[in-house]
Formats: sequence, C-alpha cells, structure tokens
Amino acid sequence: TQLLEQSPQFLSIQEGENLTVYCNSSSVFSSLQWYRQEPGEGPVLLVTVVTGGEVKKLKRLTFQFGDARKDSSLHITAAQPGDTGLYLCAGAPGGYQKVTFGIGTKLQVIP
Amino acid sequence: SQTIHQWPATLVQPVGSPLSLECTVEGTSNPNLYWYRQAAGRGLQLLFYSVGIGQISSEVPQNLSASRPQDRQFILSSKKLLLSDSGFYLCAWSQPPIAGVLNEQFFGPGTRLTVL
Repeated sequence: TQLLEQSPQFLSIQEGENLTVYCNSSSVFSSLQWYRQEPGEGPVLLVTVVTGGEVKKLKRLTFQFGDARKDSSLHITAAQPGDTGLYLCAGAPGGYQKVTFGIGTKLQVIP
Repeated sequence: SQTIHQWPATLVQPVGSPLSLECTVEGTSNPNLYWYRQAAGRGLQLLFYSVGIGQISSEVPQNLSASRPQDRQFILSSKKLLLSDSGFYLCAWSQPPIAGVLNEQFFGPGTRLTVL
C-alpha cells in the first residue's frame, strides 16, 4: 500500500478547463511537497506546504494542506498544454529524512 | 550554485551482469542523498537514502546496494542484474529538513536502465 495515495492517476482535459488532484494519507506530515515531472527528466519542486489549512498560490495553481496535515490538493485554473506532466506529492512522516512519493497524477491538457 | 551529475544517461545490460551508477553533487556540503527508481510514467520508489558518509538506509529488499564513499558522491550497485531492475534511476540531493520541514530535492538527469 502507498503511504501517499494520489487521485486520479490519469486525467485528460481540454485547454481552459479547471481540475483538482488529490494527495491523501492516514499519516500526519510536518510538510508536504508537490513536484511536476516531464518525460525523461527529474521532478521539479512546485511548492512546500507546512501549516495545516495553508493555501499557497503559484499563478494558476492553488495548493492546499489539509487541516489535519494528512492530505493536500492541487487545483489548476484554466489549464494550458504547458501544464501537461506528472504531478507528484511527497512527504516524510516521523523520521524526517526518508522522503516518499505518491504514484502521481498524469495530466494531459489537449489544445 | 549547486549542480548534480548522474551517469551514464542510458545503459543496456544483460541479465546477471554487474551495475554501477554514479551520482555527484557540487556546490554544497553534507547533503542528504537519495536514489529512486521510476517505472514508466509512474511515481518514484525510494531505494536508498543517506544522511552522511558511510550512512546508508535501505528501503526496499532487493539485489541493489548503495555506497557513499565521499560526502558528495553516491553510488548505486548490483552484483547481478535482474530483468525487474529495468527502469529510470534518479539521484537527488537536499539539505536536511529543519524542524521537520522538508527542503527542496534537486534531481539529476537520470539513468535509463534496460536489462535484457
């Protein structure tokens, strides 16, 4: 079983649509991160959320950390083809040093 | 500025052959180092992480091993490769967490390993 469950695993939408992807766990995290990965490359950090209930915005991307710090969501407004990629959440419960990733949401935005 | 190097970029190896992948980091000291494996288009599986020279934590029972002979050098090895070892291998570094808050992980360009 995955420590971090991401849903949906695949998402194909039209340009201009809105979408939300989720990262859930039964564990509490001191912080959660969201990364975006393009094919053949390493992931790149988008955001780190730290405080329960925290909302962070990065242009058209809005990240929220659950009040209980067990889950997070990523909302994209007016998706563009450049948003296409694999979105991964990552966290390190308890031991701090061991970072685990979710399985990811593969997003395709069709022009 | 910090950079991370990983080689080779691609590798095709026969079953049963040995493996050595190398990762080096420049421009920082005492980083946390990580090895991940990624199946096609899927999430990252943590294989090993290291918080210091000679300190290796293994996350998945397997025929792979890791070593950290120098502060900024991380090596992934195998004595005999299996077909299931095929995948995209990523090395990453980060500064240690502060008060439990994760720092950004910086990833290398990856090695695509095919075992035939």
